[in-house]
Amino acid sequence: DQQVKQNSPSLSVQEGRISILNCDYTNSMFDYFLWYKKYPAEGPTFLISISSIKDKNEDGRFTVFLNKSAKHLSLHIVPSQPGDSAVYFCAAHWRSALNFGKGTSLLVTP
Amino acid sequence: KAGVTQTPRYLIKTRGQQVTLSCSPISGHRSVSWYQQTPGQGLQFLFEYFSETQRNKGNFPGRFSGRQFSNSRSEMNVSTLELGDSALYLCASSSDLSGRAGTQYFGPGTRLTVL
Repeated sequence: DQQVKQNSPSLSVQEGRISILNCDYTNSMFDYFLWYKKYPAEGPTFLISISSIKDKNEDGRFTVFLNKSAKHLSLHIVPSQPGDSAVYFCAAHWRSALNFGKGTSLLVTP
Repeated sequence: KAGVTQTPRYLIKTRGQQVTLSCSPISGHRSVSWYQQTPGQGLQFLFEYFSETQRNKGNFPGRFSGRQFSNSRSEMNVSTLELGDSALYLCASSSDLSGRAGTQYFGPGTRLTVL
């Protein structure tokens, strides 16, 4: 039973534009949400997080938005750079466990 | 601070064998979690340890087990290996101050291949 869903397997964006990655969840008990960036055969790298009591968190080019009523999370990357090309995972925390989406592969083209 | 380290990085075993993977958390982190990544199922939670106690366990068979030592280092063991156990096994550590949700930082993973 997939409690965290990333419905777009891939996304292509031009350099300099905004990348928007989306994530939906079903469990209202999740208390913390995170975005990770991952390259093949490597561990996920933490990007940004947000507590369930917040609706926005910003860190440099990365902003995460949380809409609890819609159970929806999004990651905005502005401006997008070719080095941002990777697979991005949304994760939701509950009882010491992270529940991951299946990932969105982002390609930023020059 | 050094990051999460995992050994070995690569492992090849045959069906029926058992395997032990090791994880050293970031210094000062007392929570260690294990995840399995496969192409079909994605990243799935195996179990989490805090101060040598398993606090949560994912939906995996009893062949998957783990433990944590007093220095917070952790091991996971898979017995009677099956072909479907081939995966990238990831360890993550967190400071988990006072039981609050903390960011989990991942190691590079151990790639297990079962033949």
